[in-house]
Amino acid sequence: GDSVTQMEGPVTLSEEAFLTINCTYTATGYPSLFWYVQYPGEGLQLLLKATKADDKGSNKGFEATYRKETTSFHLEKGSVQVSDSAVYFCALYSGGGADGLTFGKGTHLIIQP
Amino acid sequence: GAGVSQSPSNKVTEKGKDVELRCDPISGHTALYWYRQSLGQGLEFLIYFQGNSAPDKSGLPSDRFSAERTGGSVSTLTIQRTQQEDSAVYLCASSTGASSAETQYFGPGTRLLVL
Repeated sequence: GDSVTQMEGPVTLSEEAFLTINCTYTATGYPSLFWYVQYPGEGLQLLLKATKADDKGSNKGFEATYRKETTSFHLEKGSVQVSDSAVYFCALYSGGGADGLTFGKGTHLIIQP
Repeated sequence: GAGVSQSPSNKVTEKGKDVELRCDPISGHTALYWYRQSLGQGLEFLIYFQGNSAPDKSGLPSDRFSAERTGGSVSTLTIQRTQQEDSAVYLCASSTGASSAETQYFGPGTRLLVL
Protein backbone atom coordinates (compact mmCIF):
# COMPACT_ATOMS: atom_id res chain seq x y z
CA GLY A 1 0.00 0.00 0.00
CA ASP A 2 0.87 3.67 -0.05
CA SER A 3 3.29 5.07 2.53
CA VAL A 4 5.12 8.29 3.37
CA THR A 5 8.37 8.54 5.30
CA GLN A 6 9.63 11.75 6.80
CA MET A 7 12.12 12.73 9.49
CA GLU A 8 10.27 13.02 12.77
CA GLY A 9 12.41 15.44 14.72
CA PRO A 10 12.18 17.54 16.66
CA VAL A 11 14.25 19.65 14.34
CA THR A 12 15.67 22.70 16.09
CA LEU A 13 17.12 25.58 14.06
CA SER A 14 18.11 29.16 14.65
CA GLU A 15 16.20 31.97 13.01
CA GLU A 16 17.32 32.67 9.41
CA ALA A 17 18.77 29.17 9.01
CA PHE A 18 18.12 27.06 5.90
CA LEU A 19 15.51 24.36 6.33
CA THR A 20 15.13 20.98 4.65
CA ILE A 21 12.61 18.39 5.77
CA ASN A 22 12.98 15.18 3.82
CA CYS A 23 9.97 13.25 2.56
CA THR A 24 9.94 10.10 0.45
CA TYR A 25 6.95 8.06 -0.62
CA THR A 26 5.78 4.74 -1.98
CA ALA A 27 2.63 4.72 -4.06
CA THR A 28 0.93 2.99 -6.95
CA GLY A 29 0.38 5.15 -9.98
CA TYR A 30 1.02 8.87 -9.94
CA PRO A 31 -0.08 10.44 -6.68
CA SER A 32 -0.56 14.09 -5.84
CA LEU A 33 1.80 15.27 -3.09
CA PHE A 34 1.12 17.70 -0.28
CA TRP A 35 2.70 19.41 2.68
CA TYR A 36 0.33 20.27 5.50
CA VAL A 37 1.26 22.35 8.55
CA GLN A 38 -0.18 22.36 12.05
CA TYR A 39 0.67 25.45 14.08
CA PRO A 40 0.42 25.21 17.89
CA GLY A 41 -3.21 25.06 18.95
CA GLU A 42 -4.51 25.16 15.38
CA GLY A 43 -5.86 22.71 12.83
CA LEU A 44 -4.16 21.22 9.80
CA GLN A 45 -3.81 23.54 6.86
CA LEU A 46 -2.40 23.05 3.41
CA LEU A 47 1.04 24.60 2.92
CA LEU A 48 1.71 23.59 -0.70
CA LYS A 49 1.07 20.83 -3.21
CA ALA A 50 2.27 19.36 -6.50
CA THR A 51 0.23 17.16 -8.78
CA LYS A 52 2.73 15.81 -11.30
CA ALA A 53 6.40 15.05 -11.75
CA ASP A 54 8.77 18.05 -11.73
CA ASP A 55 6.03 20.38 -10.46
CA LYS A 56 7.17 22.78 -7.76
CA GLY A 57 4.77 23.84 -5.06
CA SER A 58 5.49 27.03 -3.15
CA ASN A 59 3.90 29.14 -0.44
CA LYS A 60 5.08 31.48 2.34
CA GLY A 61 8.71 31.06 1.24
CA PHE A 62 8.50 27.25 1.38
CA GLU A 63 9.13 25.13 -1.70
CA ALA A 64 8.97 21.45 -2.61
CA THR A 65 9.58 19.74 -5.96
CA TYR A 66 7.87 16.50 -7.01
CA ARG A 67 10.75 14.16 -7.92
CA LYS A 68 9.40 10.99 -9.47
CA GLU A 69 12.81 9.44 -10.08
CA THR A 70 13.70 9.59 -6.37
CA THR A 71 10.07 9.39 -5.11
CA SER A 72 10.70 12.45 -2.98
CA PHE A 73 9.03 15.74 -2.07
CA HIS A 74 11.47 17.50 0.25
CA LEU A 75 10.36 20.74 1.89
CA GLU A 76 12.79 23.67 1.85
CA LYS A 77 12.90 27.25 3.04
CA GLY A 78 15.85 29.59 2.68
CA SER A 79 15.46 31.55 5.91
CA VAL A 80 13.17 30.32 8.67
CA GLN A 81 11.41 32.50 11.21
CA VAL A 82 10.24 31.83 14.75
CA SER A 83 6.67 31.89 13.41
CA ASP A 84 7.47 28.81 11.28
CA SER A 85 7.60 26.68 14.42
CA ALA A 86 4.98 23.99 13.85
CA VAL A 87 4.49 20.34 12.91
CA TYR A 88 4.84 19.63 9.19
CA PHE A 89 3.18 16.65 7.53
CA CYS A 90 4.04 15.25 4.14
CA ALA A 91 1.12 13.47 2.47
CA LEU A 92 0.06 11.83 -0.75
CA TYR A 93 -3.24 11.10 -2.45
CA SER A 94 -3.52 8.34 -5.03
CA GLY A 95 -7.13 8.99 -5.84
CA GLY A 96 -9.33 6.16 -6.99
CA GLY A 97 -12.23 7.51 -5.02
CA ALA A 98 -12.07 5.30 -1.97
CA ASP A 99 -9.02 6.41 -0.07
CA GLY A 100 -7.97 9.50 1.79
CA LEU A 101 -4.61 11.13 2.26
CA THR A 102 -1.71 9.01 3.43
CA PHE A 103 0.36 11.02 5.90
CA GLY A 104 3.87 10.82 7.20
CA LYS A 105 4.26 10.89 10.97
CA GLY A 106 5.01 14.61 11.03
CA THR A 107 8.14 16.66 11.74
CA HIS A 108 8.14 18.96 14.72
CA LEU A 109 10.09 22.10 13.80
CA ILE A 110 11.34 24.47 16.50
CA ILE A 111 12.88 27.80 15.50
CA GLN A 112 14.86 29.60 18.16
CA PRO A 113 15.41 33.38 18.04
CA GLY B 1 -16.90 31.73 3.71
CA ALA B 2 -17.13 29.33 6.59
CA GLY B 3 -14.65 26.52 6.86
CA VAL B 4 -15.16 22.97 8.05
CA SER B 5 -16.67 22.90 11.51
CA GLN B 6 -16.74 20.06 14.01
CA SER B 7 -18.55 19.51 17.26
CA PRO B 8 -18.01 19.02 20.06
CA SER B 9 -14.49 20.43 20.25
CA ASN B 10 -13.77 18.29 23.29
CA LYS B 11 -15.49 15.19 24.62
CA VAL B 12 -14.72 13.26 27.77
CA THR B 13 -16.57 10.00 28.20
CA GLU B 14 -16.45 6.87 30.26
CA LYS B 15 -15.34 3.56 28.85
CA GLY B 16 -18.27 1.68 27.40
CA LYS B 17 -20.37 4.73 26.50
CA ASP B 18 -21.33 5.67 22.95
CA VAL B 19 -20.21 8.97 21.42
CA GLU B 20 -21.29 10.86 18.32
CA LEU B 21 -19.01 13.32 16.54
CA ARG B 22 -20.32 15.79 14.01
CA CYS B 23 -18.79 17.40 10.95
CA ASP B 24 -20.16 20.27 8.85
CA PRO B 25 -18.21 20.48 5.58
CA ILE B 26 -17.66 23.56 3.46
CA SER B 27 -20.83 24.34 1.56
CA GLY B 28 -20.84 22.73 -1.87
CA HIS B 29 -18.08 20.24 -1.11
CA THR B 30 -19.20 16.79 -2.19
CA ALA B 31 -16.28 14.84 -0.74
CA LEU B 32 -15.92 14.38 3.01
CA TYR B 33 -13.20 12.54 4.91
CA TRP B 34 -12.69 11.41 8.50
CA TYR B 35 -9.22 10.95 10.00
CA ARG B 36 -7.89 10.11 13.43
CA GLN B 37 -4.79 11.69 14.94
CA SER B 38 -3.20 9.91 17.87
CA LEU B 39 0.24 9.88 19.43
CA GLY B 40 0.93 6.28 18.62
CA GLN B 41 -0.52 6.06 15.13
CA GLY B 42 -0.06 9.54 13.70
CA LEU B 43 -2.71 10.64 11.21
CA GLU B 44 -4.77 7.76 9.84
CA PHE B 45 -7.57 7.81 7.31
CA LEU B 46 -10.87 6.34 8.48
CA ILE B 47 -13.56 6.81 5.83
CA TYR B 48 -14.50 8.81 2.76
CA PHE B 49 -17.89 9.98 1.48
CA GLN B 50 -18.72 11.07 -2.02
CA GLY B 51 -22.14 12.59 -1.59
CA ASN B 52 -23.94 10.34 0.89
CA SER B 53 -22.12 7.21 -0.16
CA ALA B 54 -19.07 5.63 1.48
CA PRO B 55 -17.57 3.20 -1.07
CA ASP B 56 -15.10 1.60 1.33
CA LYS B 57 -15.45 1.26 5.09
CA SER B 58 -12.37 -0.90 5.61
CA GLY B 59 -10.41 1.99 7.15
CA LEU B 60 -12.65 2.08 10.20
CA PRO B 61 -10.68 0.59 13.15
CA SER B 62 -13.39 -1.81 14.30
CA ASP B 63 -17.08 -2.59 13.97
CA ARG B 64 -17.72 -0.25 16.91
CA PHE B 65 -17.11 2.63 14.50
CA SER B 66 -19.73 3.77 12.02
CA ALA B 67 -20.30 6.88 9.96
CA GLU B 68 -23.08 8.35 7.95
CA ARG B 69 -23.73 11.39 5.86
CA THR B 70 -27.13 12.81 5.03
CA GLY B 71 -28.24 15.33 2.46
CA GLY B 72 -24.74 15.43 1.04
CA SER B 73 -23.71 17.68 3.90
CA VAL B 74 -23.40 16.92 7.61
CA SER B 75 -21.64 13.74 8.66
CA THR B 76 -21.59 11.94 11.98
CA LEU B 77 -18.99 9.49 13.23
CA THR B 78 -20.32 7.21 15.95
CA ILE B 79 -18.19 5.15 18.27
CA GLN B 80 -20.07 2.54 20.28
CA ARG B 81 -18.84 1.05 23.55
CA THR B 82 -15.83 3.36 23.63
CA GLN B 83 -12.46 2.01 24.75
CA GLN B 84 -9.46 3.90 26.09
CA GLU B 85 -7.55 3.27 22.86
CA ASP B 86 -10.21 5.33 21.06
CA SER B 87 -8.81 8.46 22.73
CA ALA B 88 -7.54 10.69 19.92
CA VAL B 89 -8.31 13.79 17.92
CA TYR B 90 -10.87 13.05 15.21
CA LEU B 91 -10.48 15.26 12.16
CA CYS B 92 -12.90 15.89 9.36
CA ALA B 93 -11.96 17.30 5.96
CA SER B 94 -13.87 18.21 2.84
CA SER B 95 -13.03 18.91 -0.78
CA THR B 96 -14.81 19.59 -4.04
CA GLY B 97 -14.19 15.97 -5.00
CA ALA B 98 -13.41 16.96 -8.57
CA SER B 99 -10.06 15.17 -8.71
CA SER B 100 -7.31 13.62 -6.62
CA ALA B 101 -5.40 16.89 -6.77
CA GLU B 102 -8.06 18.79 -4.93
CA THR B 103 -7.10 20.27 -1.59
CA GLN B 104 -8.72 18.78 1.49
CA TYR B 105 -9.72 21.44 4.01
CA PHE B 106 -9.58 20.30 7.60
CA GLY B 107 -11.75 21.17 10.54
CA PRO B 108 -10.34 21.92 14.00
CA GLY B 109 -11.04 18.40 15.23
CA THR B 110 -12.82 16.80 18.16
CA ARG B 111 -10.53 15.78 21.00
CA LEU B 112 -11.94 12.59 22.52
CA LEU B 113 -10.80 11.31 25.89
CA VAL B 114 -12.09 7.96 27.11
CA LEU B 115 -11.60 7.42 30.83
